[in-house]
Amino acid sequence: TQLLEQSPQFLSIQEGENLTVYCNSSSVFSSLQWYRQEPGEGPVLLVTVVTGGEVKKLKRLTFQFGDARKDSSLHITAAQPGDTGLYLCAAIKAAGNKLTFGGGTRVLVKP
Amino acid sequence: NAGVTQTPKFRILKIGQSMTLQCTQDMNHNYMYWYRQDPGMGLKLIYYSVGAGITDKGEVPNGYNVSRSTTEDFPLRLELAAPSQTSVYFCASSFIQGYEQYFGPGTRLTVT
Repeated sequence: TQLLEQSPQFLSIQEGENLTVYCNSSSVFSSLQWYRQEPGEGPVLLVTVVTGGEVKKLKRLTFQFGDARKDSSLHITAAQPGDTGLYLCAAIKAAGNKLTFGGGTRVLVKP
Repeated sequence: NAGVTQTPKFRILKIGQSMTLQCTQDMNHNYMYWYRQDPGMGLKLIYYSVGAGITDKGEVPNGYNVSRSTTEDFPLRLELAAPSQTSVYFCASSFIQGYEQYFGPGTRLTVT
């Protein structure tokens, strides 16, 4: 069982639709990061959230950290083909120091 | 600033061969990491380093070795390659452990 469970594993939608990706755990985290990885490249950081209930927006992307700091979601509004990629959440356990990655959600946005 | 660079980009090894994956960063980061990513999966930590001369095991260290003689370089050594080591290997660095990690472009390794 992974420390961080991401769902769904794969999502295929049409351009213009909305989507939400989830990152869940039974552990409490001191911080959580979201990365996007495009084919043939390394992951690139999108956002870091550190406070329970925190909401951050990055253009059409909205990130939320759960009140109990055990889960997070990423919502994309009006998805575009450029949003296609593997979305990875990564987190550090409270009182820990290592970053652990979830299994990722592969998103495909069709034009 | 080149960021994190990795060589080679691709490599095919025969079972039992050895090789070293190179990783260099020019951001003066103390923390460096090696991950492997199997098809369609997330990243698993192999080894990490908190500074020159200091390394520690991650989640999946068996079959690998690392060294950190300088701040810039963090090579990963595969001894006696096995098909289970077929994967994409990413090197990363960060200024502070747990903060943003900067990734290299990866090395795609096939062991046959």
